[in-house]
Amino acid sequence: AIQMTQSPSSLSASVGDRVTVTCRASQGIRNDLGWYQQKPGKAPKLLIYAASSLQSGVPLRFSGSGSGTNFTLTISSLQPEDFATYYCLQDYNYPWTFGQGTKVEIK
Amino acid sequence: EVQLVESGGDLVQPGRSLRLSCVASGFTFDTYAMHWVRQAPGKGLEWVSSISWNSGTIRYADSVKGRFTISRDNAKNSLYLQMNSLRSEDMALYYCAALGSDYWGQGTLVSVSS
Repeated sequence: AIQMTQSPSSLSASVGDRVTVTCRASQGIRNDLGWYQQKPGKAPKLLIYAASSLQSGVPLRFSGSGSGTNFTLTISSLQPEDFATYYCLQDYNYPWTFGQGTKVEIK
Repeated sequence: EVQLVESGGDLVQPGRSLRLSCVASGFTFDTYAMHWVRQAPGKGLEWVSSISWNSGTIRYADSVKGRFTISRDNAKNSLYLQMNSLRSEDMALYYCAALGSDYWGQGTLVSVSS
């Protein structure tokens, strides 16, 4: 199974900060990667699909990049509603695998 | 309005079985691949299983292969997960999802304890 290594596991940031989360795949997965946001008690929400395509309705401050084994989720200017846990998911081949998550907390 | 409503979660003893159900509405269920994703308390997300629109392709995580069976009934807009030989590590909130369109249910809780 493809391993997805996500970093950091947590970070503290302030409103307005630029935030970057990375995911590394144990083998090449082309651009078959999505990024999800999950808030406490809620189902995950898709932010980015195909590594860099913004899901409809998602604010433009979210962006994704990368291909092959290295991927990045960037929040250009952190907003209060962005404090949450973020996960990557590879759908290149089965079994699909999530990264272990990055919790973004308020500094 | 898209809805996915899971049910069937319960407290069961290790080694016992449980069947989860998910009823879909608001979209053409019989054209979508469907998935089960779980989340242990305080832990991350784990993809569990998927089934294609016509049940022709089924996949499982290694952690559940041979113990869990996914199925669907398109006539009833329903997805199922038969879970046998349950272990403590199967304890989680189980989500039904159409990942391709980012449709998720609210989850149903499975607790495994003696």
